[in-house]
Amino acid sequence: RKEVEQDPGPFNVPEGATVAFNCTYSNSASQSFFWYRQDCRKEPKLLMSVYSSGNEDGRFTAQLNRASQYISLLIRDSKLSDSATYLCVVNHDTDKLIFGTGTRLQVFP
Amino acid sequence: ETGVTQTPRHLVMGMTNKKSLKCEQHLGHNAMYWYKQSAKKPLELMFVYSLEERVENNSVPSRFSPECPNSSHLFLHLHTLQPEDSALYLCASSQDTLQAGEQFFGPGTRLTVL
Repeated sequence: RKEVEQDPGPFNVPEGATVAFNCTYSNSASQSFFWYRQDCRKEPKLLMSVYSSGNEDGRFTAQLNRASQYISLLIRDSKLSDSATYLCVVNHDTDKLIFGTGTRLQVFP
Repeated sequence: ETGVTQTPRHLVMGMTNKKSLKCEQHLGHNAMYWYKQSAKKPLELMFVYSLEERVENNSVPSRFSPECPNSSHLFLHLHTLQPEDSALYLCASSQDTLQAGEQFFGPGTRLTVL
C-alpha cells in the first residue's frame, strides 16, 4: 500500500464549480499534513497546512480526519488559474515529507 | 518569486559524464533538500541537510553525491548515471527540519541521461 494515495484525476470542472479532492495516508503516526500545488512544468508550492480542526483560506478549505486517515481539499468558485496538480503531503518524521502523486485539476471556461 | 535558484535548468549527459547540479537559497534557511521527480511518480526525497550536516540519505545510489559547503548552497554531483535517472531534480529549503512541512522549492533541473 502506498504511504500517501491520491486519485490522479484529471478532474475537469467548469469555472465557478466546487471541487473536492481526498487523500489517504497509511501511517497512523503521521503528525502534520499539507497541500502543495504544482503547475505544469513548475516547482511545487505550499498551498496550505491542514490542521486538526480544519482550516480555510479564501476559497480553499482543508480538513483532516485522523480516525479514517484522510485529508481533503475543497475549492469553491473554481477559477481558470486553479488548474494545476494538487499534491497531498504527509510528515511523520520531522525532516521527511511523503508526497502523493497528485490530483490534476483542469478548470474550463 | 522564488528564493531558491537552481542551475542548470536543463542538462543532457552521457552515462560516462560527470556533472554537478547547484542549488542556492536566499531565504536564510537552515535546512536543504534534494528530491527526484519522475513522470507518474511522487516526489522522492533523496537527501536532507541541516546546518550543513547530512541528516537523511534515503537509500540513494552512490552515483549521486551531495555536498553542502554552507547553509545557502547545495550541490548534487552526478557520475556514471543510468537512463532511468532521467528526471526533474528539485532542491528545496525550509527554516529548519522542524519546519519541514513548509518547504520552498527551486525551479528544478531537468536531467536527461543518454
